[in-house]
Amino acid sequence: GNSVTQMEGPVTLSEEAFLTINCTYTATGYPSLFWYVQYPGEGLQLLLKATKADDKGSNKGFEATYRKETTSFHLEKGSVQVSDSAVYFCALSDKNPGTASKLTFGTGTRLQVTL
Amino acid sequence: DTGVSQNPRHKITKRGQNVTFRCDPISEHNRLYWYRQTLGQGPEFLTYFQNEAQLEKSRLLSDRFSAERPKGSFSTLEIQRTEQGDSAMYLCASSRTGTGADIQYFGAGTRLSVL
Repeated sequence: GNSVTQMEGPVTLSEEAFLTINCTYTATGYPSLFWYVQYPGEGLQLLLKATKADDKGSNKGFEATYRKETTSFHLEKGSVQVSDSAVYFCALSDKNPGTASKLTFGTGTRLQVTL
Repeated sequence: DTGVSQNPRHKITKRGQNVTFRCDPISEHNRLYWYRQTLGQGPEFLTYFQNEAQLEKSRLLSDRFSAERPKGSFSTLEIQRTEQGDSAMYLCASSRTGTGADIQYFGAGTRLSVL
């Protein structure tokens, strides 16, 4: 079955530091890949997505590249801010119409950014 | 577009009682998903609807769980004879087919505590 593995947190960084959160996946075929973010007390929000190999998703300074050869979708940001403190989830959905794009999530990585 | 709305936000109940949660999706979204999220884990798929038809249910959805979407708009998730293991955050998401990667938009969730 499908699965997503994320690096364990928490990740604690100083403001303006470089961020990498690792994500690898196992899936049949060529899934779509997503990063969702969950701020305290709020619902999951889509941060970025990529639907095919070598696609780069980007949003709000965050980037992730769909690497089929390493089955990875690592999240990066060049300079984090305190407001980026949240839990980040990597997820995939396969493109089999029969499974209707249900999402398989990783366990989440908590990011804490300090001044 | 007012977002996905879930009610109530919190529910505390005693073991053995029945509970019902409601989800109002984004208007014109024909797909509606239910997920469950326990502490420190990513959301896990429970079930999904396309319009009013329930097309897939996870093994996680025991016989005590039932979901409906009677008119293809809002949905309810009922848990009968609640158990302490049912304590979790229940998330609803909606999406619209034909929009590429079938992006799911999440509500803030209903947190269930079973005493």
